[in-house]
Amino acid sequence: DGGITQSPKYLFRKEGQNVTLSCEQNLNHDAMYWYRQDPGQGLRLIYYSQIVNDFQKGDIAEGYSVSREKKESFPLTVTSAQKNPTAFYLCASSSGLARGSGELFFGEGSRLTVL
Amino acid sequence: AQRVTQPEKLLSVFKGAPVELKCNYSYSGSPELFWYVQYSRQRLQLLLRHISRESIKGFTADLNKGETSFHLKKPFAQEEDSAMYYCALSPDTDKLIFGTGTRLQVFP
Repeated sequence: DGGITQSPKYLFRKEGQNVTLSCEQNLNHDAMYWYRQDPGQGLRLIYYSQIVNDFQKGDIAEGYSVSREKKESFPLTVTSAQKNPTAFYLCASSSGLARGSGELFFGEGSRLTVL
Repeated sequence: AQRVTQPEKLLSVFKGAPVELKCNYSYSGSPELFWYVQYSRQRLQLLLRHISRESIKGFTADLNKGETSFHLKKPFAQEEDSAMYYCALSPDTDKLIFGTGTRLQVFP
């Protein structure tokens, strides 16, 4: 079954703990993205990667870290430095946003709750 | 600054009524704009893109560079159109910037 898989779907974390959200895709896409979705704020870009071993900060990268060691995988670590980590996190991939494309394929999301 | 504005958080209409979801953007270059939709318990997915000038599920959107708008329209709303709609801007080939979204409720 092709697509993007995020895990876990639900995660609880104590304050001060780091947590890593998994994102795997088998679409052979070069580009991968992490967004944060909050009510009333839409989707905000955390990090994105256009190619293996390279990634760029988005609009709200503080308190997060990523790696892109494999084409298929783009894990997101929510560190203890993130002041308001409780949110819904969406991973997406794309074959590239060349002009006329613009299609991101999204995972089902991971809901993180900090207790 | 690159920005997408969706002024309405919620839009409620009755079945058969026309629908217009507003989207305004701020970008100095040549914009590429899209509408994404998220139905209940489904993944966020692409609805349409301005460069294709297509109609999907009866929805159309016209890019108005003078008004910097990309409003989504449908002449007759259906109950199955109820969903969360996001307008998005691609300022370059690297990323998409999303608006805050508008929830469309279509009542029977």
